[in-house]
Amino acid sequence: DAGVTQSPTHLIKTRGQQVTLRCSPKSGHDTVSWYQQALGQGPQFIFQYYEEEERQRGNFPDRFSGHQFPNYSSELNVNALLLGDSALYLCASSLALAALLYEQYFGPGTRLTVT
Amino acid sequence: DAKTTQPNSMESNEEEPVHLPCNHSTISGTDYIHWYRQLPSQGPEYVIHGLTSNVNNRMASLAIAEDRKSSTLILHRATLRDAAVYYCILRRDSNYQLIWGAGTKLIIKP
Repeated sequence: DAGVTQSPTHLIKTRGQQVTLRCSPKSGHDTVSWYQQALGQGPQFIFQYYEEEERQRGNFPDRFSGHQFPNYSSELNVNALLLGDSALYLCASSLALAALLYEQYFGPGTRLTVT
Repeated sequence: DAKTTQPNSMESNEEEPVHLPCNHSTISGTDYIHWYRQLPSQGPEYVIHGLTSNVNNRMASLAIAEDRKSSTLILHRATLRDAAVYYCILRRDSNYQLIWGAGTKLIIKP
């Protein structure tokens, strides 16, 4: 079992550009959540996808959008990048019923640097 | 919004027990308490969770105060591999979101 995988590992973008990050959930998992983790801080919840729909959303602007595919993999898109978007972006997967009560499995993250 | 407060860092000796405290004085009656840890250059890893009663699993124990305003994660015998940032998190029952704090960096001395 490969666990949760994310790509790319690192990414450098310029202000104003757009970026797409990808996540493949752990085998058997159907729910994907995205988090932003600034340096030295805890992760901040962006949104969660289940059955190809956004089910929950944190306090992030509409520049942050996502998608879930029929195979449960997911993408996080960020438009009009700002310097403050520089962070580690984490993807976590879980089973729908368990997502709310038990453990989420996290990927290693994508380090985004905006210059 | 309910939040958690943890010490920035703690040190412990290898093979000794570690008690990691967490304050959550504004916790509501249906908020679950979760603990995750994040090893260097890795994503967070689930450790344990609870609601009111103390909980044990293969990784750790969770002791929850009777008034639920604080909790303690107990690692019974720390190893060098336990060096990580430990996050005490509240899971809101209203929207199921995890509210993360800044965490405690645990340093294990050989």
